[in-house]
Amino acid sequence: DVKVTQSSRYLVKRTGEKVFLECVQDMDHENMFWYRQDPGLGLRLIYFSYDVKMKEKGDIPEGYSVSREKKERFSLILESASTNQTSMYLCASSDSYEQYFGPGTRLTVT
Amino acid sequence: DQQVKQNSPSLSVQEGRISILNCDYTNSMFDYFLWYKKYPAEGPTFLISISSIKDKNEDGRFTVFLNKSAKHLSLHIVPSQPGDSAVYFCAAKALGGTSYGKLTFGQGTILTVHP
Repeated sequence: DVKVTQSSRYLVKRTGEKVFLECVQDMDHENMFWYRQDPGLGLRLIYFSYDVKMKEKGDIPEGYSVSREKKERFSLILESASTNQTSMYLCASSDSYEQYFGPGTRLTVT
Repeated sequence: DQQVKQNSPSLSVQEGRISILNCDYTNSMFDYFLWYKKYPAEGPTFLISISSIKDKNEDGRFTVFLNKSAKHLSLHIVPSQPGDSAVYFCAAKALGGTSYGKLTFGQGTILTVHP
């Protein structure tokens, strides 16, 4: 069974803080993804990575950066958190067909 | 530009009846389609998929139909059960090339199945 884990289920941060969201997968997948889910907007792709140290912007990269130093780990960084980044953040890994998702991190920025 | 659209934000059906969730797409390069199901406070889980070379794929109570000429797909759940109550996302991808397994998702449809 594919397992994708995310470091926190719930997180509360203050405006201006630097926030790190960690994601780890155990299936040796090349591709990993970060999404945010907001009501009525579906899943929107923030960034993805197709190999170690390789990354590409998704549809809404502004205010975010990512890091992939090891194949199994993909981190999402909010350089200076803002209230409009309050959302559910979902990490996924892929074998080129399905994507396998982690449980999500509910981030609240106050 | 929303390339994958689920125009019904919500759907309510009675237990035992059919649920039909719809999805439209605009990008003719999409050739593989997936449905995901998501419960609150959990990540989406894969439900069923269909390749563009087929027009139907069935897995137990779940059937996906693809109409390429209309750029439309639908998910049928028969019979619907209360445990099917969740958000359903349609997703599409272009196989091959440099797609890297990237999916484009619709907005989601909240399905509620009443006992």
